[in-house]
Amino acid sequence: ELKVEQNPLFLSMQEGKNYTIYCNYSTTSDRLYWYRQDPGKSLESLFVLLSNGAVKQEGRLMASLDTKARLSTLHITAAVHDLSATYFCAVDGGGTSYGKLTFGQGTILTVHP
Amino acid sequence: NAGVTQTPKFQVLKTGQSMTLQCAQDMNHEYMSWYRQDPGMGLRLIHYSVGAGITDQGEVPNGYNVSRSTTEDFPLRLLSAAPSQTSVYFCASSSPAGAFGNTIYFGEGSWLTVV
Repeated sequence: ELKVEQNPLFLSMQEGKNYTIYCNYSTTSDRLYWYRQDPGKSLESLFVLLSNGAVKQEGRLMASLDTKARLSTLHITAAVHDLSATYFCAVDGGGTSYGKLTFGQGTILTVHP
Repeated sequence: NAGVTQTPKFQVLKTGQSMTLQCAQDMNHEYMSWYRQDPGMGLRLIHYSVGAGITDQGEVPNGYNVSRSTTEDFPLRLLSAAPSQTSVYFCASSSPAGAFGNTIYFGEGSWLTVV
C-alpha cells in the first residue's frame, strides 16, 4: 500500500526567508504532483515531476524528485504573503494504477510580514 | 473551456437520504476519479474510471456507487447518507500516461453535510 508523508504539517515563515517542504513515499513511483489549495478552493496544479532527478521551478517555488530515495522537495525562496496556502504532494500509483493519486496530509504554510 | 464541472457546490442531506454528485469534463479525458477531503487527512480516492464502462474502487469506496456511461460524465452516488460522509468531494480527470499533458485537473469541489 502506497503511503505518502509530508513534513512539516504546519509551517510559519517570515517574509523573505527560505524553507523546504518534504514529501516521502513508500513504494516505487515515477510520477509526483504538487498542488496548492487556498481555503475553500479547489486544488491548483503547481508541478508534475515525471522522472528521477526532475527539477522544476516557477517563481519562488522549486520542486525536485529523487525516485531512488522516494523523496520530493518543494523549496520556497524568499517567501511572500501570497504564498500562504496549503500545499499537497500526491504520488501516482503508476502502471495500471495511473491516475490514482495518494496524497500527503498537506502542509499549511503561513507567511508573516 | 469549462474543464471539470461539479454540481452541486453545497448540499445538506439528512441521514439515510440518497443523492448524486455530478461531474462532467469537456477535455475528452479517459481517466476520471472522485476524492474526498477531510480535515488533516489530505484527499482520499473513492472511485476511479479509465473509460466508459470501466470503474474501480479506491481507498474509501464504502457507501458510494459510480458508473461511467459516457467519457464526459462520472457521477458519484451516495446510497444512504451517513454523518461520516460529511466531507468535501472533488472530481478529477486526466489523459492517459504518455499523452500530451500530464496534469490531473480537479473540479471546484462539492461541500456535503449529512445531519
